[in-house]
Amino acid sequence: DIVMTQSPDSLAVSLGERATINCKSSQSVLYSSNNKNYLAWYQQKPGQPPKLLIYWASTRESGVPDRFSGSGSGTDFTLTISSLQAEDVAVYYCQQYYSTFTFGPGTKVDIK
Amino acid sequence: QLQLQESGPGLVKPSETLSLTCTVSGGSISSSSYYWGWIRQPPGKGLEWIGSIYYSGSTYYNPSLKSRVTISVDTSKNQFSLKLSSVTAADTAVYYCARQSSSDVVMGVWGQGTTVTVSS
Repeated sequence: DIVMTQSPDSLAVSLGERATINCKSSQSVLYSSNNKNYLAWYQQKPGQPPKLLIYWASTRESGVPDRFSGSGSGTDFTLTISSLQAEDVAVYYCQQYYSTFTFGPGTKVDIK
Repeated sequence: QLQLQESGPGLVKPSETLSLTCTVSGGSISSSSYYWGWIRQPPGKGLEWIGSIYYSGSTYYNPSLKSRVTISVDTSKNQFSLKLSSVTAADTAVYYCARQSSSDVVMGVWGQGTTVTVSS
């Protein structure tokens, strides 16, 4: 199984500031035949289902604000919120889909 | 607009079988463009993929749950279902159904989730 880890467990950022979440996979999720990273990011607000933000490590889902961006390759990935808004308070999960599906433990983002 | 709605008993006794149904509206479950999946989230914890099914009936299960899971599809009712046998308190969770694009297989549309408690 591919194990996903995230850091930090939680972070508090001032409104308008940058938030950065890291995700690491226990083995590479880069598929060499198509040069794609099988890595997605989800946002989950309290009492709601998760919402897909980013897939293929850096492709934003339709309708997702461009302040959300994903980067990285292989085993190390980052989700960046460039200018934190109040509505971004949530738990963020990374997920690999290279070999079945496993999620990271989540990172809670709050307002400082 | 596509919507998914989970339904089923909110309370299941230990050792019994948990049964849930996901009803798809606003789109066809028979589309070759999608898979349909089940994901769960224990109280206060993270997400665990349970399994997925294609409209043709092909299934893919989490290896850790495979011996207890059955996912089926009923195209005539535009529904797919989850059965999890021999449940214990560890199976207490919010259960979500979701649609997965066949091109990238990520979970792009989710139901609101249904809470299942395993208790006698």
